[in-house]
Amino acid sequence: AQSVSQHNHHVILSEAASLELGCNYSYGGTVNLFWYVQYPGQHLQLLLKYFSGDPLVKGIKGFEAEFIKSKFSFNLRKPSVQWSDTAEYFCAVKDGNNRLAFGKGNQVVVIP
Amino acid sequence: DTAVSQTPKYLVTQMGNDKSIKCEQNLGHDTMYWYKQDSKKFLKIMFSYNNKELIINETVPNRFSPKSPDKAHLNLHINSLELGDSAVYFCASSPWDRDYNEQFFGPGTRLTVL
Repeated sequence: AQSVSQHNHHVILSEAASLELGCNYSYGGTVNLFWYVQYPGQHLQLLLKYFSGDPLVKGIKGFEAEFIKSKFSFNLRKPSVQWSDTAEYFCAVKDGNNRLAFGKGNQVVVIP
Repeated sequence: DTAVSQTPKYLVTQMGNDKSIKCEQNLGHDTMYWYKQDSKKFLKIMFSYNNKELIINETVPNRFSPKSPDKAHLNLHINSLELGDSAVYFCASSPWDRDYNEQFFGPGTRLTVL
């Protein structure tokens, strides 16, 4: 079974700081990659996704992620965070069997 | 115009009871899912149905039984509830396109077993 690793579970930073969240996966075949965000008390919303093509993917709210196949990574970035970015961020990988596996999430707190 | 809806939003019950959570999607998707999010926010898939047919069944106690009356609904029935069943349960749906689909999530049902 594939696994998804997210490190630094708790991230605290100030507004305007840059954010990078790491995601590594173990599946060796063709994958679809996702980042979801869960704001406090809310459901998961899709931030961005990678299926094919340009490995640098732009998402909503100024987020982007880069797929590096050789490193089995799909790291999420935002150059300048806002207080409203406080949330839990989940990386997810879908394998050829249509099975979506989630990482354990990164809890991000942005201090005004 | 809710895409994926779940009822109830909160469910508090005693150990040993039987309860159901309902999920409906109006996106015309063929595939629906149930996920469990534990107290540490870890999300794990439980079941997946495609056109009313079970396609993913992870290692879940058989006290959990999904029921899909039609492709727009996937309900989760739980028998003999245990303390460890306390969690947030998310329903999701997606088109049945293995290569290019994304999953849309419902608002979640917070189940508390006392």
